[in-house]
Amino acid sequence: DAKTTQPNSMESNEEEPVHLPCNHSTISGTDYIHWYRQLPSQGPEYVIHGLTSNVNNRMASLAIAEDRKSSTLILHRATLRDAAVYYCIPVNSNSGYALNFGKGTSLLVTP
Amino acid sequence: DTGVSQDPRHKITKRGQNVTFRCDPISEHNRLYWYRQTLGQGPEFLTYFQNEAQLEKSRLLSDRFSAERPKGSFSTLEIQRTEQGDSAMYLCASSDSPHYEQYFGPGTRLTVT
Repeated sequence: DAKTTQPNSMESNEEEPVHLPCNHSTISGTDYIHWYRQLPSQGPEYVIHGLTSNVNNRMASLAIAEDRKSSTLILHRATLRDAAVYYCIPVNSNSGYALNFGKGTSLLVTP
Repeated sequence: DTGVSQDPRHKITKRGQNVTFRCDPISEHNRLYWYRQTLGQGPEFLTYFQNEAQLEKSRLLSDRFSAERPKGSFSTLEIQRTEQGDSAMYLCASSDSPHYEQYFGPGTRLTVT
């Protein structure tokens, strides 16, 4: 199972862009890169995922390095509701799960 | 559809007792996953089903744990002879493809006293 490295915490001002990095240097060639976020006392919420190309959706953008060893989740304008723990996980394309989400990055958004 | 639901939301039990949790996935999703999350950690995989077949189990799933998904609909997770180390949030998620996102339920918080 591929390991990921994320900063323990990051801070952003409201309405500013946020770039959340993730290192996954041991990712398998067929693993998708998924990002989830989790608010206190709630289950994780899907944010975005990709395989090789950069991806955009209504919540965020995902920039994947050409060698797939790292990726960056981009929140274009952080809001207070974006304060959460963000997890980057390589997901096996056959089983659809990762063994461990890791500790993620705790994002603090200040007004 | 209201998403993935889990019942109960909270369970307090005494050590040695058996507990059972239920998960109702999104109706058209054929894949169902169980995770465990302890304080300060991210979710850890326990097991998953494709329809009614249990395809993989983690080493975390000791002999005291059993999961079922009869008829490929809802799923139950039973813990026998609970121990204090079983105290955690138990999360269920469903998906309609291994390539796609998982939708998580709110979790069942278990406290073993």
